[in-house]
Amino acid sequence: DAGVIQSPRHEVTEMGQEVTLRCKPISGHDYLFWYRQTMMRGLELLIYFNNNVPIDDSGMPEDRFSAKMPNASFSTLKIQPSEPRDSAVYFCASSPILAGPYEQYFGPGTRLTVT
Amino acid sequence: RKEVEQDPGPFNVPEGATVAFNCTYSNSASQSFFWYRQDCRKEPKLLMSVYSSGNEDGRFTAQLNRASQYISLLIRDSKLSDSATYLCVVPSGGSYIPTFGRGTSLIVHP
Repeated sequence: DAGVIQSPRHEVTEMGQEVTLRCKPISGHDYLFWYRQTMMRGLELLIYFNNNVPIDDSGMPEDRFSAKMPNASFSTLKIQPSEPRDSAVYFCASSPILAGPYEQYFGPGTRLTVT
Repeated sequence: RKEVEQDPGPFNVPEGATVAFNCTYSNSASQSFFWYRQDCRKEPKLLMSVYSSGNEDGRFTAQLNRASQYISLLIRDSKLSDSATYLCVVPSGGSYIPTFGRGTSLIVHP
């Protein structure tokens, strides 16, 4: 299996631009998570989906952030408009279950820089 | 008290040393616990789950202390390749939604 795939791996954009991050989870995994990692705040859960349905988006920082999962093999995280404080590494992860001792499989991340 | 707290380190130890990290959590309802490893500029990867009875995998031992609400990770006979950041994960409350600690940095030197 190819694992969780994320694109792009690096993104540099100017403040005010729209940014779209993409994720392909592992086939058969029912749960998909979006995280943001910064030095200051560590790894933060932004939103997670179960069977393509958003379950908890309480971690989404503000209305500029939105996430979708149109089908079981694809999800996007969009930031519009982007701001310098959005600079971070964004990880997507998937998991087959969400109970007991489960493992989350992370993608390689997208390193976002907003200038 | 933060949900999940870890000493950021770095822990700087020589090869062959034994090193231990603790992670405290605030929600006593948490049921499952994990340690993840994250190499520099890489994604986190599961190292081991933490069971009530403890868990050992080679040189790594994880323990849970429910009374004091902390989990620990012990690494024996440290290798250079153990250098990484170790993240503890504690699901929030009665759910299994993961909350990650900030991580503890380990540097193993020759």
